[in-house]
Amino acid sequence: SYVLTQPPSVSVAPGQTATISCGGNNIGSKSVNWYQQKPGQAPVLVVSDDSDRPSGIPERISGSNSGNTATLTISRVEAGDEADYFCQVWNSRSDHWVFGGGTKLTVL
Amino acid sequence: QVQLQESGPGLVKPSETLSLTCTVSGGSIRSHYWTWIRQFPGKGLEWIGYIYYGGATNYNPSLKSRVAISIDTSKNQFSLKVTSVTAADTAVYYCARGRYSGNYWGQGTLVTVSS
Repeated sequence: SYVLTQPPSVSVAPGQTATISCGGNNIGSKSVNWYQQKPGQAPVLVVSDDSDRPSGIPERISGSNSGNTATLTISRVEAGDEADYFCQVWNSRSDHWVFGGGTKLTVL
Repeated sequence: QVQLQESGPGLVKPSETLSLTCTVSGGSIRSHYWTWIRQFPGKGLEWIGYIYYGGATNYNPSLKSRVAISIDTSKNQFSLKVTSVTAADTAVYYCARGRYSGNYWGQGTLVTVSS
């Protein structure tokens, strides 16, 4: 089965840039989606198809995908960005979703 | 604005069947894929399966023998059943819209398996 690997935690100071990685075998050939989840809330889609932002998601949040790593980048980090972030791909061979283990973003 | 709401028992006994319903409002259940996802206490997310409004389904192979998803277009609802539950099925269960990703999610409902 396809495996996605994320770092358990990332810490960043306010105003700096946070990067969260999602590793998978040839993930660059797949479309990657990213979700933000705050405590007690459902996940919210913040990036779809590698780099598209749904309506209402700030331009500070962006995504990229190449080779064996997809990356979520959050510029000018704010306290409100503190959350868990999950990557997800659709596995076309089995027609099902695969999630990464999640990364806790801490704003120092 | 599309909204989804899960409903069902919060406590299920081991070996029994977990049953949840997701009610869709603010839009039609037709012409979309509808998905169930669960999140374990340790925070990991697991895709359970989807149903298309026409009735086609696909399930996570790890759960396939115990899971069934159905849809009632007249009520704008779709449902999940998981049979022979154990403590390992304790999780927050979410319903969502989408086949390749989830652009709308319900708030989630905690289901605990315990005697």
